[in-house]
Amino acid sequence: AAGVIQSPRHLIKEKRETATLKCYPIPRHDTVYWYQQGPGQDPQFLISFYEKMQSDKGSIPDRFSAQQFSDYHSELNMSSLELGDSALYFCASSLGQGGTYEQYFGPGTRLTVT
Amino acid sequence: GNSVTQMEGPVTLSEEAFLTINCTYTATGYPSLFWYVQYPGEGLQLLLKATKADDKGSNKGFEATYRKETTSFHLEKGSVQVSDSAVYFCALRGGSNYKLTFGKGTLLTVNP
Repeated sequence: AAGVIQSPRHLIKEKRETATLKCYPIPRHDTVYWYQQGPGQDPQFLISFYEKMQSDKGSIPDRFSAQQFSDYHSELNMSSLELGDSALYFCASSLGQGGTYEQYFGPGTRLTVT
Repeated sequence: GNSVTQMEGPVTLSEEAFLTINCTYTATGYPSLFWYVQYPGEGLQLLLKATKADDKGSNKGFEATYRKETTSFHLEKGSVQVSDSAVYFCALRGGSNYKLTFGKGTLLTVNP
């Protein structure tokens, strides 16, 4: 079965650079969630989209922005990168936004800021 | 707000030992509860879930029962294997928020 695809899998950037992370949800899934997992930490919710509209916002820095496109893929744009942005970034998708809809996670993008 | 408190690790067991990882939660309303597993270098995989009180989620020999009276969702397995070595996250989703709130994770190491 098709899974959530994230690209790139690994990304190395320098401080103050920008990065774009991409997420391709499971076909027919209309909801995308982004999470950030720092080293040895639990995943923290960043932002979510439902039907191409932002549906919820968590602890996402102002330097980050995201959107969901007409084909339902999503991109997380990160500017003025800081060392503390080094983390594993997960995307999850679900068929619908309700509480009964299961979130399926991608393999993650490991971002290293040097 | 919602929160999950999870037994701190690491937990080290011998193969075929009994496993319990404690998880308690705070939430308004009636959240759905989950256990996710993360193998080294991989993403999060849903292990099991329960969506209402007294539901029991089970998968691959793991079980957890949604206990509203104690606000708990403890993970158990009767006989662990080396291949169960991973980090286990308890999580909830509830109220008008559809995001997942995770516990801090418990690293389980099973030795042969």
